[in-house]
Formats: sequence, structure tokens, C-alpha cells
Amino acid sequence: GQNIDQPTEMTATEGAIVQINCTYQTSGFNGLFWYQQHAGEAPTFLSYNVLDGLEEKGRFSSFLSRSKGYSYLLLKELQMKDSASYLCAVRDNAGNNRKLIWGLGTSLAVNP
Amino acid sequence: SQTIHQWPATLVQPVGSPLSLECTVEGTSNPNLYWYRQAAGRGLQLLFYSVGIGQISSEVPQNLSASRPQDRQFILSSKKLLLSDSGFYLCAWSVFIAEKLFFGSGTQLSVL
Repeated sequence: GQNIDQPTEMTATEGAIVQINCTYQTSGFNGLFWYQQHAGEAPTFLSYNVLDGLEEKGRFSSFLSRSKGYSYLLLKELQMKDSASYLCAVRDNAGNNRKLIWGLGTSLAVNP
Repeated sequence: SQTIHQWPATLVQPVGSPLSLECTVEGTSNPNLYWYRQAAGRGLQLLFYSVGIGQISSEVPQNLSASRPQDRQFILSSKKLLLSDSGFYLCAWSVFIAEKLFFGSGTQLSVL
């Protein structure tokens, strides 16, 4: 079947580094997205990985290992404004029916 | 540049009343359009998507319906709301199906 797992909640300190993991099981993997969603707001795109390795974009980096069905989002130099929910979504092409499968999100609290 | 408008931002409706949420996209042609619902503590649930005018795909059976009367307009409707319809409704668009999504600002619907 199709499944995405993320930790429900994480806490970190301002200025620190935090890694949010996402593991997935799909039959037709074709890319993984990370989105950030502040409380009461819409998700906004952070990163996209389709090949193995690390994609760096400023303070945020995203890593993918297709063989392990695993990704992580790395946030460096944490700021209070990084307190949000982080959603992992996998694009699945099983049966030529392309769709996105969403994780439940990881709620990150950044403390001073 | 492309923008997506969704309204209203908040809505409180009694059980059994009708619903109409509207979403419009500017600055692009023939977008793929989506309606998602996000219930408290739960992930993003795809309700409907559309690849073109009059073409609607439903992902979950329910008392909601969607229509696309114009290329960049997507409407979510219900004839009679249920308590379980409460949630955060998000409209989104993408260039290709199941690609990077751009979300509207969302509608917080409370059915009482």
C-alpha cells in the first residue's frame, strides 16, 4: 500500500539545527516534496527531490534516499518564525494515475 | 506572475445549509485545479481535481461537489452541510498534475 510517516511533533531551540524525517512506502515513487504550513495558513513549497542526495536552499536542505524510502528536511540556524508544520508529500505514479500522497505533518516548535 | 484567490476566509454555517466556495487563478492558462480539506490534527485530503473546463475527478464520496465553469475558476459546493464538513478548505493549482502546488489562502469552515 501507500504510506508516509513523519514524527507528529518536534521541539528545538532558536539558533540550533533540526532534522525532520519522512519515510514512505509507495509502488510508483516519482518525487518528494516538502511544504511549510504556519498555523491557520496555506502550505508553501519548500523543496523537491527526485534523485538521491542533498538539495540545499539557504537555511533549508532536503535529502532523499530512494533505496531506503527516506527523506529528511534539515533546518539550520533556527528562527522563531520557523515554528510551523512541515508536510512531506510523495508523488506516486502507480498505475499511470499520478497523484500526491501526503504525510500528516510534523509540528515544529522553536523555543527561545 | 500567477496568483490564486480563494474566498471567503472564514465561514460559519448551520447544519443543512448550502455551501459555495470559490477559487480563481490569474496569470496562467489551463491550470490543474484542486480542492483539499484539512481537518484538525489530520493531513491534507484531496477532495476534487480538475484538468480542464468541465472535467472533475472526485477522490472521496461525500455530499460535496465541484465545478469548473471557466478555465481558471473552481467552485466547491454542497446542498446540505454536515457537521463532519467542518475543516480548513484549500484550493490549489499546478502546471502539471501532481506537481508543485500553489495554494490559496484557505477557508476555515465551521458547521454548527
